[in-house]
Amino acid sequence: AQKVTQAQTEISVVEKEDVTLDCVYETRDTTYYLFWYKQPPSGELVFLIRRNSFDEQNEISGRYSWNFQKSTSSFNFTITASQVVDSAVYFCALSDPTYSGAGSYQLTFGKGTKLSVIP
Amino acid sequence: DVKVTQSSRYLVKRTGEKVFLECVQDMDHENMFWYRQDPGLGLRLIYFSYDVKMKEKGDIPEGYSVSREKKERFSLILESASTNQTSMYLCASTAGQGGQPQHFGDGTRLSIL
Repeated sequence: AQKVTQAQTEISVVEKEDVTLDCVYETRDTTYYLFWYKQPPSGELVFLIRRNSFDEQNEISGRYSWNFQKSTSSFNFTITASQVVDSAVYFCALSDPTYSGAGSYQLTFGKGTKLSVIP
Repeated sequence: DVKVTQSSRYLVKRTGEKVFLECVQDMDHENMFWYRQDPGLGLRLIYFSYDVKMKEKGDIPEGYSVSREKKERFSLILESASTNQTSMYLCASTAGQGGQPQHFGDGTRLSIL
């Protein structure tokens, strides 16, 4: 069975602070994909990044960076110099496309971390 | 850019009504999904469809049905709405290849009175 755990339910930081959102996953498969989504107060989920299990290289996109470590089954997300516009709920998700059957495109979501950036 | 459009942002219905939530995507995606989102529970999959007229139950299908008559449209139906179906409903689509990201609509906040 697959599982995604985001242990931090809510985080508050002051603007310009760095913040890391944790994501720990469980899967028995060697081929899988990990995702991060952002859900601002307006409600839509916005896709941020996808990582496959064979690519452990960390990624940086502007103020966002992601640290993927297979040894600890973690895919953490860091926002540098946070801004008020970063306030949102962030979801980590796992996809195992090797699962046989029509369910192979499902995502297993964590319960989300609500980030509040205080001006 | 992928566009997933949900017919309503806000909807208020009464207990016992039959409710239709519509979702349309413009990227010719094979797979479409309906989730509900509740505080503390995250996103839970209700139903998904991997082709026209094909559907599979997700984690919480009870009280819901779906329809996919055309590739671009996936409808969620509440057969007899109840107050415990008050929630945020999110539609998503994804291409056929495994490991592709799901693209979401803006969501429908449904209140059942």
